[in-house]
Amino acid sequence: EVQLVESGGGLVNPGGSLRLSCAASGFSFSDAWMSWVRQSPGKGLEWVGRIKSKTGGEATDYAAPVKGRFTLSRDDSKTTLYLQMNSLKIEDTAVYYCVRTFFSDSAGQYWGQGTLVTVSS
Amino acid sequence: EIVLTQSPGTLSLSPGERATLSCRASQSVSSSYLAWYQHKPGQAPRLLIYGASNRATGIPDRFSGSGSGADFTLIISRLEPEDFAVYYCQQFVNPTWTFGQGTKVEIK
Repeated sequence: EVQLVESGGGLVNPGGSLRLSCAASGFSFSDAWMSWVRQSPGKGLEWVGRIKSKTGGEATDYAAPVKGRFTLSRDDSKTTLYLQMNSLKIEDTAVYYCVRTFFSDSAGQYWGQGTLVTVSS
Repeated sequence: EIVLTQSPGTLSLSPGERATLSCRASQSVSSSYLAWYQHKPGQAPRLLIYGASNRATGIPDRFSGSGSGADFTLIISRLEPEDFAVYYCQQFVNPTWTFGQGTKVEIK
């Protein structure tokens, strides 16, 4: 059974930092391309970024609102995906979902339950 | 940037009825890269359809997707109680994903 379990969310001040983790199991994590998607309160889904597998050079891409502030990384030995979030803004408040991509990176096949990040003073 | 507009915003139907959800893009998108998701409060979103018309693993055949160009449709042929949720379309233009704003299917 595929499982994606996010952790690390919480309350942080504007300008602060937070690192989210996503523990993966039930599939070959090292071969998977992984993404983060977020949902702000009362709003729809927003893609945050994606990291390729090691064979893809672990290349990363980011959505414009987070580029330069957020960093995706992975540890295949721990089957864990990370999202380092710096210079957090109030508008980064959201539930953050870890997603395994598939079909040429075009869709999210498996999603975690999400972790809530609240940016507030 | 391609914008996806879903309609209607809310669909009020009874179990057993047919639901037709629309997703319109601001410009033509590759049908290979159009997906639909179901999302219930407090749960993980669930992939229903990818490549515009391919059902994901384990998705019942009452869910079907169609369309091309800029117009796509998700049909739920006979609503079951567990189908009441918010549905999102999503398109992919390498490397970014863009989602529609969602259609809520609620019990009438």
